[in-house]
Amino acid sequence: AQKVTQAQTEISVVEKEDVTLDCVYETRDTTYYLFWYKQPPSGELVFLIRRNSFDEQNEISGRYSWNFQKSTSSFNFTITASQVVDSAVYFCALSEWGEGFQKLVFGTGTRLLVSP
Amino acid sequence: DAGVIQSPRHEVTEMGQEVTLRCKPISGHDYLFWYRQTMMRGLELLIYFNNNVPIDDSGMPEDRFSAKMPNASFSTLKIQPSEPRDSAVYFCASSFSIRGGGGNTIYFGEGSWLTVV
Repeated sequence: AQKVTQAQTEISVVEKEDVTLDCVYETRDTTYYLFWYKQPPSGELVFLIRRNSFDEQNEISGRYSWNFQKSTSSFNFTITASQVVDSAVYFCALSEWGEGFQKLVFGTGTRLLVSP
Repeated sequence: DAGVIQSPRHEVTEMGQEVTLRCKPISGHDYLFWYRQTMMRGLELLIYFNNNVPIDDSGMPEDRFSAKMPNASFSTLKIQPSEPRDSAVYFCASSFSIRGGGGNTIYFGEGSWLTVV
């Protein structure tokens, strides 16, 4: 069974601080995809990144970066120099080859509060 | 480009009433999903379609819930009769299949916020 764990329920930081959101996953498949989604206060779910299990290269997009480590089954998300607009709930998710990649299993989310 | 479009955005209804949520997927996408988000259960997949055909409805909570996709550009999720425990945010999402691959990015609508009183 696939499982995604986001142990941090809520993180509070002050603007300009760096913050890392943790994601640990469990899967029996060797082929899978990992995702991060952002849910701002307005409620929509915004896609941030997709990473397949064969690509362990870290990725950077502006102030966002992702660290994928298969050895520890982790896919952590770092926001550098956080801003108030980063305040949101962030979800890590997993889809597996065995499920045709169509069943997206979400973690419980980490609420990030960035104060001025 | 238009994203996934859901309606209504907000609905308040009385227990026992029928509720119909609507979704228009992104044009060209052949997969459509219905998710539900609650505080207790988080985000959970209810049902998904491929080329308008329901593939997996194992997440549908009970017979009061039904979903249809009469064509590639429209889907409905119906609750009849509604109960207070159905209060949640219902998300529709869509994606397109990648030949020989997978891990399709699933794009979500803004959600339909349902309150059953």
